[in-house]
Amino acid sequence: AQKVTQAQTEISVVEKEDVTLDCVYETRDTTYYLFWYKQPPSGELVFLIRRNSFDEQNEISGRYSWNFQKSTSSFNFTITASQVVDSAVYFCALSLNTGFQKLVFGTGTRLLVSP
Amino acid sequence: EPEVTQTPSHQVTQMGQEVILRCVPISNHLYFYWYRQILGQKVEFLVSFYNNEISEKSEIFDDQFSVERPDGSNFTLKIRSTKLEDSAMYFCASSKPGQLYNEQFFGPGTRLTVL
Repeated sequence: AQKVTQAQTEISVVEKEDVTLDCVYETRDTTYYLFWYKQPPSGELVFLIRRNSFDEQNEISGRYSWNFQKSTSSFNFTITASQVVDSAVYFCALSLNTGFQKLVFGTGTRLLVSP
Repeated sequence: EPEVTQTPSHQVTQMGQEVILRCVPISNHLYFYWYRQILGQKVEFLVSFYNNEISEKSEIFDDQFSVERPDGSNFTLKIRSTKLEDSAMYFCASSKPGQLYNEQFFGPGTRLTVL
């Protein structure tokens, strides 16, 4: 079975601080996909990034960066120079490459960025 | 840009009543999903649907739940006799075939409150 663990329940930072959200996953499959979603207070799920298990290149998109390490089964997300608008719940998720590819979500990390 | 829509945005019902949550997936998508998020908790997979039948369902998706694609555009989730613990946000998602990964596009959710 697949499992995603986000050990950080809530993180509070002050604007302009960098913050890293941790994600550890478990799966026996060799082909899988990892995701990060943002859920702002309005409640919708906003897709941020997808990585497949064969691509361990780190990725940077503006203030966001992702560090995928298969050796430690981790897919961590860093926000550089955080802003108040980054305040949200962030979910890490896993999907296999078989069947209809349901998403297995972690429990989420609530990020509070204060001015 | 095409998007998944859901109605209503918020539904309040009495315990024991039947509710139908509606979703309009993206028009050329063929795979459909329902997920549930109890307030403050993680997003959980309920069911996937393809070719007019359930492809996979979770243990949450018991006999009280059913899904249907009554016409060419709508995808519905019915809860026959609601319980207090059914109160949650329900997300619909859809994806299309023909890609290495069938990326799921989420709707904005329906918040169900059972009194």
